[in-house]
Amino acid sequence: DIVMTQSPDSLAVSLGERATINCKSSQSVLYSSNNKNCLAWYQQKPGQPPKLLIYWASTRESGVPDRFSGSGSGTDFTLTISSLQAEDVAVYYCHQYYNSPSTFGQGTKLEIK
Amino acid sequence: EVQLLESGGGLVQPGESLRLSCAASGFTFSSYVMRWVRQAPGKGLEWVSSISTSGSTTYYPDSVKGRFTISRDNSKNTLYLQMSSLRADDTAVYYCAKGRSGSYYSGLDYWGQGTLVTVSS
Repeated sequence: DIVMTQSPDSLAVSLGERATINCKSSQSVLYSSNNKNCLAWYQQKPGQPPKLLIYWASTRESGVPDRFSGSGSGTDFTLTISSLQAEDVAVYYCHQYYNSPSTFGQGTKLEIK
Repeated sequence: EVQLLESGGGLVQPGESLRLSCAASGFTFSSYVMRWVRQAPGKGLEWVSSISTSGSTTYYPDSVKGRFTISRDNSKNTLYLQMSSLRADDTAVYYCAKGRSGSYYSGLDYWGQGTLVTVSS
């Protein structure tokens, strides 16, 4: 099974500052058929289901603010929020859909400093 | 508007069975891979099962293999999860989630609100 490890487990950032969350997979999730990484990022607010932010490691889902961006390849990935807003307080998960079992990171809790 | 509405959760005793349903609307249900994902109270996300567009291919993690069965009725736009031999560690909110495409190589772009399954004596 591919193990997804996020860092840090929790993060406190001031409003307007940059937030960076890392995700490392135990093996490559690069899909050779399209040369894209099978890696997604989700945001989950309390009492709500997860919301897709990023897929193929760096493609922003429709309607997601452009302050959210994803980067990385192979085994190391990053979710960046360029200028933190109050509504960004949530838990963020990475997710590999390269093979079965599909696996998620343990989550990173993002708070306002 | 895409909507996924889960139902069927509740309180059951260990060893019992339960069937969850997910009614889909707002998209061509038969064209998309569907998945169940669960979240134990205060914990992270765990993939539970996936099913191909036709329903002919299914996948499960070891934690539920042999106990859970995913299925779909494309004529009714409904996804199911039959759960048997339930254990306390199956207690979770169960989400129905839509893949972005008909391929397994896709993120999950829509999620239902979830249905709570509690396994306790």
